[in-house]
Amino acid sequence: AQSVTQLGSHVSVSEGALVLLRCNYSSSVPPYLFWYVQYPNQGLQLLLKYTSAATLVKGINGFEAEFKKSETSFHLTKPSAHMSDAAEYFCAVSAFRGSTLGRLYFGRGTQLTVWP
Amino acid sequence: NAGVMQNPRHLVRRRGQEARLRCSPMKGHSHVYWYRQLPEEGLKFMVYLQKENIIDESGMPKERFSAEFPKEGPSILRIQQVVRGDSAAYFCASSPPQGESYEQYFGPGTRLTVT
Repeated sequence: AQSVTQLGSHVSVSEGALVLLRCNYSSSVPPYLFWYVQYPNQGLQLLLKYTSAATLVKGINGFEAEFKKSETSFHLTKPSAHMSDAAEYFCAVSAFRGSTLGRLYFGRGTQLTVWP
Repeated sequence: NAGVMQNPRHLVRRRGQEARLRCSPMKGHSHVYWYRQLPEEGLKFMVYLQKENIIDESGMPKERFSAEFPKEGPSILRIQQVVRGDSAAYFCASSPPQGESYEQYFGPGTRLTVT
């Protein structure tokens, strides 16, 4: 079975500061991992994905995430926050084989606030 | 290339009525997924469909909920005899055939309010 834990339901940073959103996963098979962003009253937009290639994954809008198998983590970072980054961020895990193939398991989300 | 389309964007139903939510996947995508987002929670998987087939419906409530993805036309999520607890945002996602990509692309969602 797969599951995701996002530590911290709310994160606040100043504009220009480092953004760090934490995600730990549990998976009985090698996982695929994703970060999505959701702006108010909109759908989810894919930021980046890990599918067993490079462990450091670069995404859109300057975000990146590193897959650490030993820590079962996939934390999202951005060196310098921008006001437009304020949104809710979801980490998700999927199995690439087995009975749950195709299903995404989401964390509860982290609301990012960026202060001017 | 149009993204995943969902309609209506907002739907208000009285208790006991039926709700029909539609989803048109991206062009070339043959897999459709439905998720439900309750307030203060992440998205929960409901059902995974391919054309004319339900692949995995283990996340669907046992009663009142059904989904289909016909050969022609959009995927439909149907909720019969809605109750207040069905109020949520329902998101549809689509993906290409497995093996080409594992990304799911999400629609804007349908926000269902049951009064």
